[in-house]
Amino acid sequence: GESVGLHLPTLSVQEGDNSIINCAYSNSASDYFIWYKQESGKGPQFIIDIRSNMDKRQGQRVTVLLNKTVKHLSLQIAATQPGDSAVYFCAENVSGGYNKLIFGAGTRLAVHP
Amino acid sequence: DTGVSQDPRHKITKRGQNVTFRCDPISEHNRLYWYRQTLGQGPEFLTYFQNEAQLEKSRLLSDRFSAERPKGSFSTLEIQRTEQGDSAMYLCASSLRTGGKAEAFFGQGTRLTVV
Repeated sequence: GESVGLHLPTLSVQEGDNSIINCAYSNSASDYFIWYKQESGKGPQFIIDIRSNMDKRQGQRVTVLLNKTVKHLSLQIAATQPGDSAVYFCAENVSGGYNKLIFGAGTRLAVHP
Repeated sequence: DTGVSQDPRHKITKRGQNVTFRCDPISEHNRLYWYRQTLGQGPEFLTYFQNEAQLEKSRLLSDRFSAERPKGSFSTLEIQRTEQGDSAMYLCASSLRTGGKAEAFFGQGTRLTVV
Protein backbone atom coordinates (compact mmCIF):
# COMPACT_ATOMS: atom_id res chain seq x y z
CA GLY A 1 0.00 0.00 0.00
CA GLU A 2 0.95 3.65 -0.22
CA SER A 3 3.12 5.04 2.48
CA VAL A 4 1.62 7.60 4.82
CA GLY A 5 3.88 10.45 5.70
CA LEU A 6 6.79 10.09 3.28
CA HIS A 7 8.67 13.09 4.65
CA LEU A 8 7.55 13.16 8.24
CA PRO A 9 9.90 13.41 11.20
CA THR A 10 10.85 9.93 12.33
CA LEU A 11 11.39 8.55 15.79
CA SER A 12 13.43 5.34 15.79
CA VAL A 13 13.37 3.16 18.87
CA GLN A 14 14.44 -0.32 19.88
CA GLU A 15 11.79 -2.88 20.64
CA GLY A 16 11.04 -2.84 24.35
CA ASP A 17 12.08 0.77 24.87
CA ASN A 18 9.64 3.51 25.77
CA SER A 19 8.67 6.02 23.06
CA ILE A 20 7.67 9.64 23.46
CA ILE A 21 6.00 11.44 20.57
CA ASN A 22 5.47 15.17 20.88
CA CYS A 23 2.96 17.53 19.35
CA ALA A 24 2.46 21.27 19.48
CA TYR A 25 -1.14 22.28 18.97
CA SER A 26 -2.26 25.53 17.51
CA ASN A 27 -5.37 26.86 19.22
CA SER A 28 -5.49 27.92 22.85
CA ALA A 29 -9.28 27.50 22.71
CA SER A 30 -8.98 23.77 21.99
CA ASP A 31 -10.43 21.70 24.80
CA TYR A 32 -10.30 18.13 23.55
CA PHE A 33 -7.37 16.23 22.08
CA ILE A 34 -6.96 12.84 20.47
CA TRP A 35 -3.98 10.77 19.41
CA TYR A 36 -4.40 8.63 16.31
CA LYS A 37 -2.22 5.90 14.84
CA GLN A 38 -2.19 5.45 11.08
CA GLU A 39 -0.67 2.48 9.31
CA SER A 40 0.12 2.53 5.63
CA GLY A 41 -3.00 2.36 3.47
CA LYS A 42 -5.37 2.55 6.43
CA GLY A 43 -7.47 5.17 8.12
CA PRO A 44 -6.44 6.76 11.43
CA GLN A 45 -7.07 4.56 14.44
CA PHE A 46 -8.12 6.11 17.76
CA ILE A 47 -5.57 5.54 20.54
CA ILE A 48 -6.37 7.80 23.46
CA ASP A 49 -8.00 11.14 24.18
CA ILE A 50 -7.78 13.81 26.84
CA ARG A 51 -9.88 16.83 27.78
CA SER A 52 -8.38 20.16 28.69
CA ASN A 53 -9.39 19.88 32.35
CA MET A 54 -6.86 17.05 32.72
CA ASP A 55 -3.08 17.02 32.33
CA LYS A 56 -2.54 13.28 32.17
CA ARG A 57 -4.48 10.23 31.09
CA GLN A 58 -3.37 6.62 30.94
CA GLY A 59 -4.47 3.76 28.79
CA GLN A 60 -3.08 0.35 28.11
CA ARG A 61 0.66 0.93 27.48
CA VAL A 62 -0.05 4.54 26.48
CA THR A 63 -0.10 7.81 28.40
CA VAL A 64 -1.04 11.22 27.09
CA LEU A 65 0.28 14.37 28.75
CA LEU A 66 -1.19 17.81 28.15
CA ASN A 67 0.57 21.08 28.92
CA LYS A 68 -1.84 23.89 28.17
CA THR A 69 0.63 26.59 29.16
CA VAL A 70 2.85 25.83 26.20
CA LYS A 71 0.17 24.13 24.05
CA HIS A 72 1.98 20.83 24.01
CA LEU A 73 0.82 17.22 23.92
CA SER A 74 2.86 14.10 24.23
CA LEU A 75 2.12 10.43 23.72
CA GLN A 76 4.16 7.94 25.69
CA ILE A 77 4.19 4.32 24.59
CA ALA A 78 5.61 1.84 27.07
CA ALA A 79 7.54 -1.24 25.97
CA THR A 80 7.28 -0.35 22.29
CA GLN A 81 6.55 -3.26 19.97
CA PRO A 82 7.09 -3.72 16.22
CA GLY A 83 3.31 -3.47 15.77
CA ASP A 84 3.49 0.10 17.08
CA SER A 85 5.35 1.17 13.94
CA ALA A 86 3.10 3.70 12.19
CA VAL A 87 2.52 7.43 11.76
CA TYR A 88 1.07 9.11 14.83
CA PHE A 89 -1.09 12.22 14.66
CA CYS A 90 -2.35 14.47 17.39
CA ALA A 91 -5.68 16.19 16.75
CA GLU A 92 -7.34 19.06 18.55
CA ASN A 93 -10.95 20.11 18.81
CA VAL A 94 -11.83 23.72 19.43
CA SER A 95 -14.31 24.29 22.25
CA GLY A 96 -17.87 25.18 21.43
CA GLY A 97 -18.73 22.06 19.52
CA TYR A 98 -17.42 18.59 19.03
CA ASN A 99 -17.39 19.00 15.32
CA LYS A 100 -14.10 19.03 13.55
CA LEU A 101 -10.62 17.92 14.40
CA ILE A 102 -7.50 19.81 13.42
CA PHE A 103 -4.64 17.42 12.84
CA GLY A 104 -0.96 18.00 13.41
CA ALA A 105 1.69 17.05 10.88
CA GLY A 106 2.38 13.59 12.24
CA THR A 107 5.43 11.65 13.42
CA ARG A 108 6.59 8.34 12.03
CA LEU A 109 7.53 5.78 14.69
CA ALA A 110 9.94 3.09 13.53
CA VAL A 111 10.49 0.21 15.94
CA HIS A 112 13.59 -1.91 15.39
CA PRO A 113 13.97 -5.44 16.76
CA ASP B 1 -20.00 -4.68 10.75
CA THR B 2 -18.83 -2.66 13.70
CA GLY B 3 -16.67 -0.04 11.97
CA VAL B 4 -16.93 2.79 9.47
CA SER B 5 -17.07 1.43 5.95
CA GLN B 6 -16.03 3.28 2.81
CA ASP B 7 -16.49 2.32 -0.80
CA PRO B 8 -14.62 2.08 -3.07
CA ARG B 9 -11.20 1.68 -1.49
CA HIS B 10 -9.46 2.89 -4.62
CA LYS B 11 -10.63 4.95 -7.57
CA ILE B 12 -8.69 5.97 -10.66
CA THR B 13 -10.41 8.46 -12.91
CA LYS B 14 -9.60 10.68 -15.81
CA ARG B 15 -9.47 14.41 -15.32
CA GLY B 16 -12.86 15.97 -15.91
CA GLN B 17 -14.88 12.94 -14.84
CA ASN B 18 -17.25 12.87 -11.89
CA VAL B 19 -16.73 10.49 -9.00
CA THR B 20 -18.85 9.54 -6.01
CA PHE B 21 -17.73 7.92 -2.78
CA ARG B 22 -19.87 6.29 -0.13
CA CYS B 23 -19.48 6.13 3.64
CA ASP B 24 -21.44 3.94 6.02
CA PRO B 25 -20.86 5.13 9.58
CA ILE B 26 -21.10 3.09 12.76
CA SER B 27 -24.81 2.42 13.01
CA GLU B 28 -25.71 4.36 16.15
CA HIS B 29 -23.48 7.35 15.35
CA ASN B 30 -25.35 10.53 14.51
CA ARG B 31 -22.32 12.61 13.51
CA LEU B 32 -20.45 12.04 10.27
CA TYR B 33 -17.35 13.81 8.94
CA TRP B 34 -15.43 13.88 5.70
CA TYR B 35 -11.69 14.59 5.63
CA ARG B 36 -9.08 14.71 2.91
CA GLN B 37 -5.51 13.55 3.35
CA THR B 38 -2.59 14.06 0.99
CA LEU B 39 0.74 12.28 1.27
CA GLY B 40 2.82 13.48 4.17
CA GLN B 41 0.01 15.47 5.75
CA GLY B 42 -2.56 14.97 8.44
CA PRO B 43 -6.23 14.75 7.49
CA GLU B 44 -7.96 18.06 6.70
CA PHE B 45 -11.59 18.64 7.61
CA LEU B 46 -14.02 18.97 4.70
CA THR B 47 -17.55 18.78 6.09
CA TYR B 48 -19.72 17.60 8.97
CA PHE B 49 -23.24 16.19 9.30
CA GLN B 50 -25.36 15.80 12.37
CA ASN B 51 -28.00 13.31 11.34
CA GLU B 52 -29.06 14.48 7.86
CA ALA B 53 -28.13 18.14 8.36
CA GLN B 54 -24.86 19.40 6.91
CA LEU B 55 -23.76 21.80 9.64
CA GLU B 56 -20.30 22.86 8.56
CA LYS B 57 -18.30 23.02 5.35
CA SER B 58 -14.64 23.86 4.99
CA ARG B 59 -13.39 26.42 2.52
CA LEU B 60 -11.51 23.47 1.03
CA LEU B 61 -14.83 22.20 -0.26
CA SER B 62 -15.09 23.96 -3.61
CA ASP B 63 -18.26 24.17 -5.67
CA ARG B 64 -17.24 20.97 -7.42
CA PHE B 65 -17.64 19.03 -4.19
CA SER B 66 -20.98 18.07 -2.73
CA ALA B 67 -21.83 15.82 0.18
CA GLU B 68 -25.15 14.39 1.25
CA ARG B 69 -26.53 12.29 4.04
CA PRO B 70 -30.15 11.92 2.96
CA LYS B 71 -31.53 9.71 5.72
CA GLY B 72 -29.05 10.43 8.42
CA SER B 73 -27.30 7.13 7.87
CA PHE B 74 -24.86 6.66 4.96
CA SER B 75 -23.25 9.61 3.22
CA THR B 76 -21.95 10.30 -0.27
CA LEU B 77 -19.24 12.68 -1.41
CA GLU B 78 -19.30 13.66 -5.07
CA ILE B 79 -16.55 15.45 -6.93
CA GLN B 80 -17.50 16.90 -10.30
CA ARG B 81 -15.07 17.67 -13.09
CA THR B 82 -12.16 16.13 -11.22
CA GLU B 83 -8.75 17.80 -11.35
CA GLN B 84 -5.34 16.32 -10.68
CA GLY B 85 -5.17 18.29 -7.44
CA ASP B 86 -8.13 16.28 -6.17
CA SER B 87 -5.91 13.21 -5.91
CA ALA B 88 -5.87 12.30 -2.23
CA MET B 89 -7.23 9.91 0.36
CA TYR B 90 -10.81 10.77 1.30
CA LEU B 91 -11.61 9.71 4.84
CA CYS B 92 -14.95 9.40 6.53
CA ALA B 93 -15.37 9.37 10.29
CA SER B 94 -18.32 9.07 12.63
CA SER B 95 -19.01 9.82 16.26
CA LEU B 96 -21.85 9.70 18.72
CA ARG B 97 -22.91 12.89 20.34
CA THR B 98 -22.83 12.45 24.09
CA GLY B 99 -22.58 14.82 26.99
CA GLY B 100 -18.82 14.76 26.83
CA LYS B 101 -16.57 12.77 24.57
CA ALA B 102 -16.63 12.97 20.84
CA GLU B 103 -14.09 10.39 19.78
CA ALA B 104 -14.30 10.01 16.04
CA PHE B 105 -13.71 6.66 14.38
CA PHE B 106 -12.34 6.63 10.87
CA GLY B 107 -12.94 4.36 7.93
CA GLN B 108 -10.17 2.95 5.75
CA GLY B 109 -10.58 5.75 3.23
CA THR B 110 -11.01 5.99 -0.52
CA ARG B 111 -7.80 6.63 -2.43
CA LEU B 112 -8.56 8.82 -5.46
CA THR B 113 -6.09 9.15 -8.29
CA VAL B 114 -6.91 11.61 -11.08
CA VAL B 115 -4.91 11.02 -14.24
